[in-house]
Amino acid sequence: DAKTTQPPSMDCAEGRAANLPCNHSTISGNEYVYWYRQIHSQGPQYIIHGLKNNETNEMASLIITEDRKSSTLILPHATLRDTAVYYCIVRVGGSQGNLIFGKGTKLSVKP
Amino acid sequence: NAGVTQTPKFRILKIGQSMTLQCTQDMNHNYMYWYRQDPGMGLKLIYYSVGAGITDKGEVPNGYNVSRSTTEDFPLRLELAAPSQTSVYFCASKGVGTDTQYFGPGTRLTVL
Repeated sequence: DAKTTQPPSMDCAEGRAANLPCNHSTISGNEYVYWYRQIHSQGPQYIIHGLKNNETNEMASLIITEDRKSSTLILPHATLRDTAVYYCIVRVGGSQGNLIFGKGTKLSVKP
Repeated sequence: NAGVTQTPKFRILKIGQSMTLQCTQDMNHNYMYWYRQDPGMGLKLIYYSVGAGITDKGEVPNGYNVSRSTTEDFPLRLELAAPSQTSVYFCASKGVGTDTQYFGPGTRLTVL
């Protein structure tokens, strides 16, 4: 699985959009980009994933650059409950192995 | 669906004691996983299973054992607890052909 690089921490004002970047310059053609988050003391929670097209669901949007070397997770209207560690994970789709979690980005949403 | 459930939520063990962490999922998922998370770190895989009767080691299996006699249950056994096993343990499951894993709420274990 390709390695990912994320900033260790970010702040966001409540009600504003939170844009969380992820670099994955060694991604290969059959690898998907997955985003999970972990709210303090809870198990990780799936947010969204994509291959090369932009994706949107009820939680977030995922923007993947055309060369697929980086992506951005967008929380359109961040709330205090979105304060969490966000993990960007790249892996081959549908494989049986585990998810490899790095240290992620600690997002702090402030009132 | 309850999803993935884990018991107990908290446990304190003395060095050398043994215990079993329970994990159950009601989504009929083939794949199940045990991770541990040390403070400030990401999750590390202990063991995983691709179906009933099949288990395999992950990145940090030493000091642990697992079994998978049913699709629903995947217990993790600590035989001789050591302070290095103080951690939060998460169980997860996923279906075939997807990478979306569903996690339980975790078990916080302290070994003194």
